Amino acid sequence: RKEVEQDPGPFNVPEGATVAFNCTYSNSASQSFFWYRQDCRKEPKLLMSVYSSGNEDGRFTAQLNRASQYISLLIRDSKLSDSATYLCVVNFNFNKFYFGSGTKLNVKP
Amino acid sequence: EAQVTQNPRYLITVTGKKLTVTCSQNMNHEYMSWYRQDPGLGLRQIYYSMNVEVTDKGDVPEGYKVSRKEKRNFPLILESPSPNQTSLYFCASTSVRDRGNTEAFFGQGTRLTVV
Repeated sequence: RKEVEQDPGPFNVPEGATVAFNCTYSNSASQSFFWYRQDCRKEPKLLMSVYSSGNEDGRFTAQLNRASQYISLLIRDSKLSDSATYLCVVNFNFNKFYFGSGTKLNVKP
Repeated sequence: EAQVTQNPRYLITVTGKKLTVTCSQNMNHEYMSWYRQDPGLGLRQIYYSMNVEVTDKGDVPEGYKVSRKEKRNFPLILESPSPNQTSLYFCASTSVRDRGNTEAFFGQGTRLTVV
C-alpha cells in the first residue's frame, strides 16, 4: 500500500470554478503535511503547509483530518495559471517525505 | 537567493558508465535528500543525509550511492547505470521551521536517460 494516495485526475474545470482535491495517508504517526505544486517538467514548489486547525491562503484552503487520515485542498475561483499537478506530501521524522503521485488540474478558459 | 542547484539538467548515458549528479544548497540546511520521479509513482526517496558524514537509505536505494563530505554538497553516484534508472531526479534541501514543521526546497531536476 502506498504511504500517500491521491486521485491522479485530470480535473478539467472552467475558469472561476471551485475544485477540491483529497489525499489519504497511511502512517498515523505522520507529523507534517503539505501541498506542493509542480508545473510540467519543473521542480515541486511548496504551495502551503496544512495545519490541524485548517488554513487559508487567498483562494486556497487546506484541511487536515487526522482521525480519518486525509488532507484536502480547495481552490476557489480557479485561474488558468492554477493549471498544474498538485502533490500531497506527508512528512515523518523530519527528513522522510512521502509524496502522492499527484493530481493534475487543467483550468480551461 | 536561497537555492538548490543540480547539475547536469539533462544527461544521456550508456549502461555501465559511472556518473555523478551534483547537488549544492546555499541555505546551510542540515538535511538533504535525493528523489526520483517516475510516471504514476510520484517522487520516491533514494537516499537522505541528516548531516555531514551521516547518510541513510530511503525507499529505493538500490543502484545508487551518495556522499556528504561538506554540508552544502550531496552528490548522487550511479556506479553502473542501467536503463531502469532512467528517470527525473530531484535533490532537496530541508529546513526545520517552527513547531518542527519542515519545508523541502527542490533543485530544478536532472533528466537522466540510460540507453
